[in-house]
Amino acid sequence: AQSVSQHNHHVILSEAASLELGCNYSYGGTVNLFWYVQYPGQHLQLLLKYFSGDPLVKGIKGFEAEFIKSKFSFNLRKPSVQWSDTAEYFCSVGGSQGNLIFGKGTKLSVKP
Amino acid sequence: NAGVTQTPKFRVLKTGQSMTLLCAQDMNHEYMYWYRQDPGMGLRLIHYSVGEGTTAKGEVPDGYNVSRLKKQNFLLGLESAAPSQTSVYFCATYAGGLYEQYFGPGTRLTVT
Repeated sequence: AQSVSQHNHHVILSEAASLELGCNYSYGGTVNLFWYVQYPGQHLQLLLKYFSGDPLVKGIKGFEAEFIKSKFSFNLRKPSVQWSDTAEYFCSVGGSQGNLIFGKGTKLSVKP
Repeated sequence: NAGVTQTPKFRVLKTGQSMTLLCAQDMNHEYMYWYRQDPGMGLRLIHYSVGEGTTAKGEVPDGYNVSRLKKQNFLLGLESAAPSQTSVYFCATYAGGLYEQYFGPGTRLTVT
C-alpha cells in the first residue's frame, strides 16, 4: 500500500528564515503528488501539485517543491517564511481511486 | 458557486447517539470522499464514492455508513457514536484526471 512520510512533526522558525519540509512516499510507479496547507481553524488548501514534467514545481505564496524520483521525495521549500505561514502542512500522494493518501502533517510555527 | 459545503459545522453527541453529516457540492464532480483528521494522524479516508449510487470503503470505515443518492450530495452516518469517533470530518470532491481534490470546511464532532 502507498504511504507518505513527513519527517518533521513541528518546525519552529523565525521570520525570514528558509524552510524545507521533508516528504517521502513509498510507491515506485507513476505518482501524483500534492502539498496542502491548513491554516488554524480552516480547511485544506492546495499549495502545489506535481503530475509530470518539470520536477521543480512552483505553487502559491512563494512555495515550491522538488520531485526527486530516485529518492522518492517531494520536499517543500520557501526561501523566506512569514508569520502568516504559520499552519500545518500536509504532503499527499494520489491513490488508485482518486483519493489522497496523506502524511501525518508538519506544524510550522513562525516567530515574528 | 459555493464549492463544497458541509453541514453541520460543529456537533456534540453522547455515546450511542446517531447523526448524519451532509456534504454538498455544486462542482459537478463525480468523485466524493469522507476523511477524518486526528491530531498527529493526518487525514484518513473513511469512505468514498466514484459516482452517483456508488460507495466504497476506505482505510477506516468501521462505525460509519455512507450514501450517494444524488450526485451532488454525500452523506456520512454514525449509527451509534463512540468517543473514538471524536474528530474533524472533511469532505472532498474530485473531477478525475489531472486535477486536485477540493475540500469542504470540515465538521468538528465531539462524542462524550
